[in-house]
Amino acid sequence: DSGVTQTPKHLITATGQRVTLRCSPRSGDLSVYWYQQSLDQGLQFLIQYYNGEERAKGNILERFSAQQFPDLHSELNLSSLELGDSALYFCASSEDVRTTGNTEAFFGQGTRLTVV
Amino acid sequence: AQSVTQLGSHVSVSEGALVLLRCNYSSSVPPYLFWYVQYPNQGLQLLLKYTSAATLVKGINGFEAEFKKSETSFHLTKPSAHMSDAAEYFCAVSERLRGAGSYQLTFGKGTKLSVIP
Repeated sequence: DSGVTQTPKHLITATGQRVTLRCSPRSGDLSVYWYQQSLDQGLQFLIQYYNGEERAKGNILERFSAQQFPDLHSELNLSSLELGDSALYFCASSEDVRTTGNTEAFFGQGTRLTVV
Repeated sequence: AQSVTQLGSHVSVSEGALVLLRCNYSSSVPPYLFWYVQYPNQGLQLLLKYTSAATLVKGINGFEAEFKKSETSFHLTKPSAHMSDAAEYFCAVSERLRGAGSYQLTFGKGTKLSVIP
């Protein structure tokens, strides 16, 4: 168990709909990362938050957005869903490297999104 | 930006044989390097990490990796494959982001390891 919790584990929804994926990072971790994993694209970095602020954006579509709340949990919002958005969405968290020197990320079990 | 190349999207070995999964990186600064493993229907689990303390890094489940700066490589090895090693393996490099305190992991495309009985 990595200590990173993602809900829900599975989600089936129709095209055009909007869903919210939730992530609780490990206790004390300030950084949260979102990744999308699909068969054709592999593991793609979407976005990163550090202590409530957006730090980096990767290949995230405009239809997707995220935020990190004061309690450090994060949500990834996916809207106007298309069939191609079907994928595994992972959340990961990491420590404040300034205090620990550790840069590795710890991953949740993922949310499997199926758009039908 | 840093990048990671994993040679071979699929590798098959016999049980008891040597496992060698290749990873090359590009980085303009001394990197932090990682190997992660993903079992079916699970998240990624850290196998081992290189942080410049030693060039030969030992990880969990008998895996190890050697950092070779001259070759910009960080290949993963295990002397004797076990059936339970069948999984997908990802090499990653850590890049410092703007602002303090955060890094971004860039992953290779992964190598699926099959172990033949």
